[in-house]
Amino acid sequence: GNSVTQMEGPVTLSEEAFLTINCTYTATGYPSLFWYVQYPGEGLQLLLKATKADDKGSNKGFEATYRKETTSFHLEKGSVQVSDSAVYFCALYNNNDMRFGAGTRLTVKP
Amino acid sequence: DAGVIQSPRHEVTEMGQEVTLRCKPISGHDYLFWYRQTMMRGLELLIYFNNNVPIDDSGMPEDRFSAKMPNASFSTLKIQPSEPRDSAVYFCASSLVSGVGSPDTQYFGPGTRLTVL
Repeated sequence: GNSVTQMEGPVTLSEEAFLTINCTYTATGYPSLFWYVQYPGEGLQLLLKATKADDKGSNKGFEATYRKETTSFHLEKGSVQVSDSAVYFCALYNNNDMRFGAGTRLTVKP
Repeated sequence: DAGVIQSPRHEVTEMGQEVTLRCKPISGHDYLFWYRQTMMRGLELLIYFNNNVPIDDSGMPEDRFSAKMPNASFSTLKIQPSEPRDSAVYFCASSLVSGVGSPDTQYFGPGTRLTVL
């Protein structure tokens, strides 16, 4: 079946630090992959996505590359800001099935 | 566009009562999703619709939960009877179909915080 496993949090970083949140998936075929972000008290918002192998999604300084050989879609940002503090969810859609990871809470301190 | 609209934003009810949550998707979107979020279980997909037809309801926890989408602009999630363990934030989301025939970016509503006493 389809599943998403992402790095457990919480993650605490200082401003301008490098961020990596790991995400791996299990799926047959070619799923679409997503990263969503949830700010306190709000619904999820799409951060970036990739629909085929080797695609790189990017937005607001965040990047993730669809790696089929390692079944991964790790989220990275070179220099985090306090405003990036939120919960980040990795997700996939495959064969009429939508799956989200457990979420990783990121706190960025000034 | 107003985005996905959910009502009510907060609901407090007593065990055994019927609860109805409402969602208005973004106009023109083909897919509608219902999710439940709790600290213990994270974000769970309950059910989703494509063109008003339920596609996958395997996430609906039990028969006390039901969802309908009578038309393209309205959906309900009903819990009858409600129990304290149903307390959670319930999100509705909608999306267009992507170029590869799957749901594209999902747009989430603000959620309904349900408390069952």
